[in-house]
Amino acid sequence: AQSVTQLDSHVSVSEGTPVLLRCNYSSSYSPSLFWYVQHPNKGLQLLLKYTSAATLVKGINGFEAEFKKSETSFHLTKPSAHMSDAAEYFCVVSYSGNTGKLIFGQGTTLQVKP
Amino acid sequence: GAVVSQHPSWVICKSGTSVKIECRSLDFQATTMFWYRQFPKQSLMLMATSNEGSKATYEQGVEKDKFLINHASLTLSTLTVTSAHPEDSSFYICSARVPGKLAEHYNEQFFGPGTRLTVL
Repeated sequence: AQSVTQLDSHVSVSEGTPVLLRCNYSSSYSPSLFWYVQHPNKGLQLLLKYTSAATLVKGINGFEAEFKKSETSFHLTKPSAHMSDAAEYFCVVSYSGNTGKLIFGQGTTLQVKP
Repeated sequence: GAVVSQHPSWVICKSGTSVKIECRSLDFQATTMFWYRQFPKQSLMLMATSNEGSKATYEQGVEKDKFLINHASLTLSTLTVTSAHPEDSSFYICSARVPGKLAEHYNEQFFGPGTRLTVL
């Protein structure tokens, strides 16, 4: 079955230090991969997406992710965390021919300490 | 572009009543919309896929008679929680898919801000 796994349920960093949120997906043909952020009681905001173009994807607010097919990974990074980055992050995959359904990871809570 | 709205943003109702939640695509036509449910500190769970002009497709374990979905126009889908009970209290989120295979938004969904339902 198609799936996506976020390896950490909770990540805590200090403000100004790098952020790494890890995501692995089950191998398949032509996945589209997304990272969404959700602040408390809010909807989801798209940070970035990979759709078979460049493997290093730049998103909003300084976030980046690299698609590594050999490792079936799509980890999210940011060089320097800001307090406003504290939120829930979801790694999401969509496969071609899957009627447009998205498959969500379990989510990673990012805590940013002053 | 590609904005999705939901109404209401929050609702409190008594047990046994029905509640309707609207999902609108404001600046594009959405032939397909999706309804998700999210419990506190959990991921989104897909409830159903709503297709304009046809019956919704429900995910396994979702009661279609309890969660009525109507997608009567290209910009509006509604979710009605019938005979709501406290266990139906949750955060309901809709999303819409941009039609066609535009390279810019291929496979992407745009999410509404969510509706917090509390059943007393």
